[in-house]
Amino acid sequence: EAQVTQNPRYLITVTGKKLTVTCSQNMNHEYMSWYRQDPGLGLRQIYYSMNVEVTDKGDVPEGYKVSRKEKRNFPLILESPSPNQTSLYFCASSFNDRGAAFFGQGTRLTVV
Amino acid sequence: AQTVTQSQPEMSVQEAETVTLSCTYDTSESDYYLFWYKQPPSRQMILVIRQEAYKQQNATENRFSVNFQKAAKSFSLKISDSQLGDAAMYFCAYRGRTSGTYKYIFGTGTRLKVLA
Repeated sequence: EAQVTQNPRYLITVTGKKLTVTCSQNMNHEYMSWYRQDPGLGLRQIYYSMNVEVTDKGDVPEGYKVSRKEKRNFPLILESPSPNQTSLYFCASSFNDRGAAFFGQGTRLTVV
Repeated sequence: AQTVTQSQPEMSVQEAETVTLSCTYDTSESDYYLFWYKQPPSRQMILVIRQEAYKQQNATENRFSVNFQKAAKSFSLKISDSQLGDAAMYFCAYRGRTSGTYKYIFGTGTRLKVLA
């Protein structure tokens, strides 16, 4: 089954404790991206990747890191999480930068 | 900069009736793509419909259709014969070339309630 898999689905952590949210897709998509969803703001892009080893900032990259060492995986790293990073996070992939995005199930992150 | 505006934070529709969700966007590009996504309470983002800007014909997917007015930069979603399962948050999205790549820009969403 074609899918984008994110883990974990729920995470509560404390300020400053490094965490990683994993994302994997099995569709051989080139384009992957991370979004955060906040009430009243819709989805905003954090980082995106056009292919292996090619990543770039989205609209709200501060406080986040990504890497793309393999085509299928695109983890999101929060080196020192802060409460303002409490949000719903989505990973998405698409065949290229013009195709429809397939989304993961979302990760609800709470930073206390 | 490109923007996407959904001016209706919430809409209601009676079961079996038709409802239209509005979306406007602002861009100076000629090559772009427009999407509607559905987010039910499970929070999964589900693609509803996709429209390519160079195609004049409005996209349709079963009970879902769009009214794409390129000159007016309007992209509304019509849901016919509404069902209880259509209750969700709906996001309009634009994907156009920005700084060498095609970025997604989402609207703030419209919450649709379906009344039995």
